[in-house]
Amino acid sequence: DIQMTQSPSSLSASVGDRVTITCRASQSITTYLNWYQQKPGKAPKVLIYFASSLQSGVPSRFSGSGSGTDFTLTISSLQPEDFATYYCQQSYSTKFTFGPGTKVDVK
Amino acid sequence: QVQLVQSGAEVKKPGSSVKVSCKASGGTFSTYVINWVRQAPGQGLEWMGTIIPMFGTTNYAQNLQDRVSITADESTSTAYMELSSLRSEDTALYYCSLLQDYYMDVWGEGTTVTVSS
Repeated sequence: DIQMTQSPSSLSASVGDRVTITCRASQSITTYLNWYQQKPGKAPKVLIYFASSLQSGVPSRFSGSGSGTDFTLTISSLQPEDFATYYCQQSYSTKFTFGPGTKVDVK
Repeated sequence: QVQLVQSGAEVKKPGSSVKVSCKASGGTFSTYVINWVRQAPGQGLEWMGTIIPMFGTTNYAQNLQDRVSITADESTSTAYMELSSLRSEDTALYYCSLLQDYYMDVWGEGTTVTVSS
């Protein structure tokens, strides 16, 4: 199975900060990489698919980049509603795998 | 807009089985690709498996393939996830989700399964 790692596992930030989360795959997954946001007690919500495509309705402060094994999710200016946990997920293999998550909390 | 409605919370004894349902509305069920994802308390997301009702094909996570079975009933637009030989580590929130262009676009509300003696 393809293993996914994320860094950092958690970070503290303030409203207005630029936040960057990285995700690494154990082998090339080209651009079959998705990013999800999850808030406590809620189902995950897709933000970015195919590494850099913004899901409809998602604010443009979210962006994704990368290909192969290394990927990045960037929040250009953190908003109060963005405090949440973020997961990457590969869909290159039919056996999908998620990263362990990055929790973004208030500094 | 497609919606997924899951069955209610379950409490099970170790060694028993649980079957969770996920009913879809608002679309063409046979064209869906349905995933099951679980989340243990305070932990991350774990993909469990996928079913394509149109073809009846399934794909399971390697660590669960001996204990999990995903089925679908097109007549009721319902997918099922059955997990056997339950242990305490299977206590989790179980989600079904629809795959759209290789990402999970629509999610159910989740079903809590508690395994306790």
